[in-house]
Amino acid sequence: EIVLTQSPATLSLSPGERATLSCRASQSVSNYLAWYQQKPGQAPRLLIYDASNRATGIPARFSGSGSGTDFTLTISSLEPEDFAVYYCQQRSNWFTFGPGTKVDIK
Amino acid sequence: QVQLVESGGGVVQPGRSLRLSCAASGFTFSNYGMHWVRQAPGKGLEWVAVISYDGSNKYYADSVKGRFTISRDNSKNTLYLQMNTLRAADTAVYFCAKGNVITGPPMAEYFQHWGQGTLVTVSS
Repeated sequence: EIVLTQSPATLSLSPGERATLSCRASQSVSNYLAWYQQKPGQAPRLLIYDASNRATGIPARFSGSGSGTDFTLTISSLEPEDFAVYYCQQRSNWFTFGPGTKVDIK
Repeated sequence: QVQLVESGGGVVQPGRSLRLSCAASGFTFSNYGMHWVRQAPGKGLEWVAVISYDGSNKYYADSVKGRFTISRDNSKNTLYLQMNTLRAADTAVYFCAKGNVITGPPMAEYFQHWGQGTLVTVSS
C-alpha cells in the first residue's frame, strides 16, 4: 500500500497570505495525485488532479506541482472561504488518501 | 448539474447488514465509474469500493473485501453498497463519488463529484 504523508498537520495563516502544503508518497506515484478540499459538514471537493491540473471551476489561486514522491499544493493568497482541511490522494496503486492538513485562521 | 444523493444509513448492530443507495442525476450515469468513500467521525478519508461504468469490474479495499458488495442499476441511475457482517470499525459517513473519466478504467480516475454522505453507525 502506498502511504501518503502530509505536512504540516495544521497551518495557521491570515487571509491574503500564501499557503504551501506538502504531500509525500512512500513510493513513486508518477503524477497520479489529486488534492481535495473539505469544509466541516461538507463533502470533499476536487481541486487538482494529475498533480497540476485544476479541476473545473477551481480558482487560479490554487496550483499543484510535483511528481514522483513529493507534491505541493499552493494557495497564492488565502481567501476567507479557503480555510478548510486539504487531502492529497493517489491513484497510482489503488486509492489512498493522506491524513490531511488543516488550514486555519491565525 | 451533477447531483448525488445517498440514503440508507442508520444505526445497526454489529454483525447485521445494511444497504446504501446513491441516486445520481445531471450526467449520463452509465458513462462513469462510481465509488464509495468513507470517513469515520473526526478522521480522514478511506476509499471503499469502485464499480466500472458498465458494472463489469468491481474492486474493494481489503478492509471490506468479502463483506461489502458494490453494484449499480444504470436503468435507475442508482449506485448501491450492500454491507454485511458490519463491525464497529465500519462506523463512518459513506460518500458516493463519481469518477472523472468517461467509460474509463475504474482504477485510473479521481473523485470528481461527491454526494453529501450518509452516516452509518454500528453499535450494540
